[in-house]
Amino acid sequence: GDSVTQMEGPVTLSEEAFLTINCTYTATGYPSLFWYVQYPGEGLQLLLKATKADDKGSNKGFEATYRKETTSFHLEKGSVQVSDSAVYFCALSFSGGYNKLIFGAGTRLAVHP
Amino acid sequence: GAVVSQHPSWVICKSGTSVKIECRSLDFQATTMFWYRQFPKQSLMLMATSNEGSKATYEQGVEKDKFLINHASLTLSTLTVTSAHPEDSSFYICSASQVSNQPQHFGDGTRLSIL
Repeated sequence: GDSVTQMEGPVTLSEEAFLTINCTYTATGYPSLFWYVQYPGEGLQLLLKATKADDKGSNKGFEATYRKETTSFHLEKGSVQVSDSAVYFCALSFSGGYNKLIFGAGTRLAVHP
Repeated sequence: GAVVSQHPSWVICKSGTSVKIECRSLDFQATTMFWYRQFPKQSLMLMATSNEGSKATYEQGVEKDKFLINHASLTLSTLTVTSAHPEDSSFYICSASQVSNQPQHFGDGTRLSIL
């Protein structure tokens, strides 16, 4: 069935370091892909999305490119801040883009000053 | 905008009791609401999708008599865990969207602990 696999955390970085969180997916069709972020004690927030191959989603310095050939949607940021510490979820969806989200396990990011 | 409020944020109760969790869309009308369950250090698993005024659609393996979902208005959905047992302890998260193909806005979750 359809699924999302993320790299295991926690990922621990120093401030201003480069971030990559790997995400790959298995899907029978061509899903839309998402990154959500969950800050401590809060719900999930949509960080960025891409709806078709080669699309690049970007927001708040984060970006991810929909790679159909490698079925990947890796999250990157050039220079992380302490405030980026959170849990990041990769997800996919069919049915118009937002219904029935299938989430990865989440990757916890801890950024130290 | 697009705020979803979940209540309570944390509940502890004895085994055998029923627990109701509310999910409200505060500044928009939510045609569709979703209920997820999240085990520690695991992903969110969709339990059910509810559309206002109709019966919820449950995912495979989710007991609909155990997890009662009501979506009686465009701003409120409730999840009732009936006769809760320790294995029902988990983090429950709701989300809401204005229409079914629009972004889901998530609540802050409810941590349920059954003793």
